[in-house]
Amino acid sequence: AQSVTQLGSHVSVSEGALVLLRCNYSSSVPPYLFWYVQYPNQGLQLLLKYTTGATLVKGINGFEAEFKKSETSFHLTKPSAHMSDAAEYFCAVSDLGGTTGNEKLTFGTGTRLTIIP
Amino acid sequence: DAGVIQSPRHEVTEMGQEVTLRCKPISGHNSLFWYRQTMMRGLELLIYFNNNVPIDDSGMPEDRFSAKMPNASFSTLKIQPSEPRDSAVYFCASSVDRDNSPLHFGNGTRLTVT
Repeated sequence: AQSVTQLGSHVSVSEGALVLLRCNYSSSVPPYLFWYVQYPNQGLQLLLKYTTGATLVKGINGFEAEFKKSETSFHLTKPSAHMSDAAEYFCAVSDLGGTTGNEKLTFGTGTRLTIIP
Repeated sequence: DAGVIQSPRHEVTEMGQEVTLRCKPISGHNSLFWYRQTMMRGLELLIYFNNNVPIDDSGMPEDRFSAKMPNASFSTLKIQPSEPRDSAVYFCASSVDRDNSPLHFGNGTRLTVT
């Protein structure tokens, strides 16, 4: 069975500061890992995705995440926070694989990111 | 590309009433997913279709919930009868069967059952 744990339901950072959102996963097979972002009153949008290959994945809006198998982690980072980054962020895992990895996604409970001016 | 279109955006109904949520996936996408989002349980996959066929409905909470996909451009999620605990935001998402194809979510339907 697969699962995702996001540490910290709320994170606040100052504008220009480093953003670090934590995600740990559990999977019985090599996982597909995802970060999605949800802005108010909208659906989720894919930020980035790890399937195979390079463990450092770059996504949209300057975000990146590193797959660390030994730590079963996939933390999301951004060097300098912007006001527009305020949103809820979801880590997700799929161990079904398949063509897209979308077929059996398990989402974390989300981390609400607040940016302090 | 209009994205995934869901209707209505908001639905308020009384307990016992039938509720129908609608979804139009992105043209050309052959997988469609229904999710439910609540504060208590987060995002839960209810059911997903591939090429209009239901593949996995193990997330559908009860027999009161049913979903159909009569064609590639339309899906419904029905709750009959509705209960207050069904109050949530329901999301539809679609994707295409191609490596690294992401899920595209609609803006959701916020359901309130009183």
